[in-house]
Amino acid sequence: EVQLLESGGGLVQPGGSLRLSCGASGFTFSDFAMSWVRQAPGKGLEWVSGISGSGTGTYYADSVKGRFTISRDNSKNTLFLQMNSLRGEDTAIYYCARDKTKVDYWGQGTLVTVSS
Amino acid sequence: QSALTQPHSVSGSPGQSVTISCTGTSSDVGGYNYVSWYQQHPGKAPKLMIYDVTKRPSGVPDRFSGSKSGNTASLTISGLQAEDEADYYCCSYAGSYTLVFGGGTKVTVL
Repeated sequence: EVQLLESGGGLVQPGGSLRLSCGASGFTFSDFAMSWVRQAPGKGLEWVSGISGSGTGTYYADSVKGRFTISRDNSKNTLFLQMNSLRGEDTAIYYCARDKTKVDYWGQGTLVTVSS
Repeated sequence: QSALTQPHSVSGSPGQSVTISCTGTSSDVGGYNYVSWYQQHPGKAPKLMIYDVTKRPSGVPDRFSGSKSGNTASLTISGLQAEDEADYYCCSYAGSYTLVFGGGTKVTVL
């Protein structure tokens, strides 16, 4: 059974940093591209960042480019999102998501709140 | 990276059919046969309902169907049931490992 489990969310002040993790199981992690998708309170889904299965290709939404860094450790079946210079508009549930052309599996999400 | 355009809401009575449109551009919806649709109930993670425009994952009822013409994709729910009341999001691959989502449509079962 495919499982994705996010962690690392919490309350952070504007301008601060946070690192999200997503542990994967039930599939060959390195065979799949992965993404982070977020959902602000009461709003729709927004793709944030994606990474190839090997980790050599990384991609970002314009809204986070230069502030967020996606990475993965295939030896530990873990996906990461390093978030720097956080803003109020980054407040959202962050979902770990599998695959490149669609999201066939989602994690349960981790809440990031940016507030002073 | 502009969001795809969906109607804010649609509604129908049990047993009726509803269709949700999703309009993008030639760089996303029109450029790839990689449109997917997601159902989201309050407080829950999204669930994949349709992928590659028309395909249904195992376990998704055949009441759900997808199509595409040009830059517009559509999701049709036939034989509407109470449990279909939820938010629905379209999504398209936009090249280079990027995805773009629609703003979401609230489906209400009257």
